[in-house]
Amino acid sequence: SQTIHQWPATLVQPVGSPLSLECTVEGTSNPNLYWYRQAAGRGLQLLFYSVGIGQISSEVPQNLSASRPQDRQFILSSKKLLLSDSGFYLCAWSVSGAGETQYFGPGTRLLVL
Amino acid sequence: GENVEQHPSTLSVQEGDSAVIKCTYSDSASNYFPWYKQELGKRPQLIIDIRSNVGEKKDQRIAVTLNKTAKHFSLHITETQPEDSAVYFCAASKGGGATNKLIFGTGTLLAVQP
Repeated sequence: SQTIHQWPATLVQPVGSPLSLECTVEGTSNPNLYWYRQAAGRGLQLLFYSVGIGQISSEVPQNLSASRPQDRQFILSSKKLLLSDSGFYLCAWSVSGAGETQYFGPGTRLLVL
Repeated sequence: GENVEQHPSTLSVQEGDSAVIKCTYSDSASNYFPWYKQELGKRPQLIIDIRSNVGEKKDQRIAVTLNKTAKHFSLHITETQPEDSAVYFCAASKGGGATNKLIFGTGTLLAVQP
C-alpha cells in the first residue's frame, strides 16, 4: 500500500530564516505531487504541483519554491521566511492523470516568529 | 478557471439529525468531485467521491449527489454522531490533463451537538 510522509511535524522559525520541508511517498511510482498551505481556520491553497522529476508548476507568486529531485520526493523551500508563511503545510499525491484521488500527508505545522 | 463555492460555512445539528452541505462549480468540464473530512489538527481524508457519469453514491451514512445540469453536488450525512464533527471540504477536478488539480471549496465546519 502507499504511504506518504512529511517532516518535520512542527517547526518554529524566526523571520528571515531559511526553510526546507520534505515529503516522500512510498509504494507507488511516478505520482503527481502537490504542496498545499492552510492558514488557521481557512481552506486549502495549492502552492505547487509536479507531474515528474524536475517538473514544477507554481500556482501563486510567493517567496516559496519547490523541487522534485527524485520520483517520490518533493521539497518545499524558502530562502527567507515571512510572518505570513506561518501555516499548516500539506503534501499530497495522486496517481498520474486527471480525475484521480489525492491523498494527503500528515502535514507540517510552521510558525514563523 | 474553475471556481467552487461551498455552503454553509458552519453547520450545527443535533446528534441523530441529518446534515447537508452543498457545493457549486463553474466549469462544465469538471468530472470528478471528492469530499474530504478534516478533524482538528489532522490531515484531510477522503470520505466519498463521485464521477460525472453517476448521479448518486452512498456509503453507509454518507451519500453524495451530483446534478451536472445545475453544476452542483451535495454531501448528505444521516444519523449524525459527535465524531462527525469536523471541517468538510468539497472539490472539483476536470479531465483531459495529467495534472489532476483539485479546486477546493472553502470548507464547512460541522458541529454535532450530543
